[in-house]
Amino acid sequence: KQEVTQIPAALSVPEGENLVLNCSFTDSAIYNLQWFRQDPGKGLTSLLLIQSSQREQTSGRLNASLDKSSGRSTLYIAASQPGDSATYLCAVRPDTGTASKLTFGTGTRLQVTL
Amino acid sequence: GAVVSQHPSRVICKSGTSVKIECRSLDFQATTMFWYRQFPKKSLMLMATSNEGSKATYEQGVEKDKFLINHASLTLSTLTVTSAHPEDSSFYICSARERGGSYNEQFFGPGTRLTVL
Repeated sequence: KQEVTQIPAALSVPEGENLVLNCSFTDSAIYNLQWFRQDPGKGLTSLLLIQSSQREQTSGRLNASLDKSSGRSTLYIAASQPGDSATYLCAVRPDTGTASKLTFGTGTRLQVTL
Repeated sequence: GAVVSQHPSRVICKSGTSVKIECRSLDFQATTMFWYRQFPKKSLMLMATSNEGSKATYEQGVEKDKFLINHASLTLSTLTVTSAHPEDSSFYICSARERGGSYNEQFFGPGTRLTVL
């Protein structure tokens, strides 16, 4: 059974710092991995999706990497801003089936302070 | 990215009543929709998976007679919480997977906060 863990569970950094969020998964047989952002009381916003054949994806100040063989992904946020404060979730998808289910990590709650 | 909407965003009801939550994919067709439940400061728990025109597949421990799911079209799925009780109070989030989309990315709705008094 796939298990996804995110470390740290919570993180507080001053504005402007670069930071890395970690995601690890126990079964390396994945189809893709998605990073999401969730603001309090809101749904999930998809940030980046990495296919199993890819090593990284970039969008603006965000860069996600994937090391499938070691079961790890990182989300790098450059020059953090208070608006980045949210909970970040990673999720892995096992296969290409239309009904294949995402397994979510435990989340990292990020606070960027002024 | 593709947009998924949910209605209502918030609902308060009395114990014993039924509540219907709608999930729509606004600019794409969704072959598959997922319903999740989220408790405070916890990750998402998948309740059921629905495919257009067929019966939903429920996760272990989720009562299918209590949480009725209908996926009537490629853009609409509904979750009905029947005879709601206070323990059903939670944040319900739907998600849709784009039919034939690039890498079948999964998009999430904004969630519905259900409070049962």
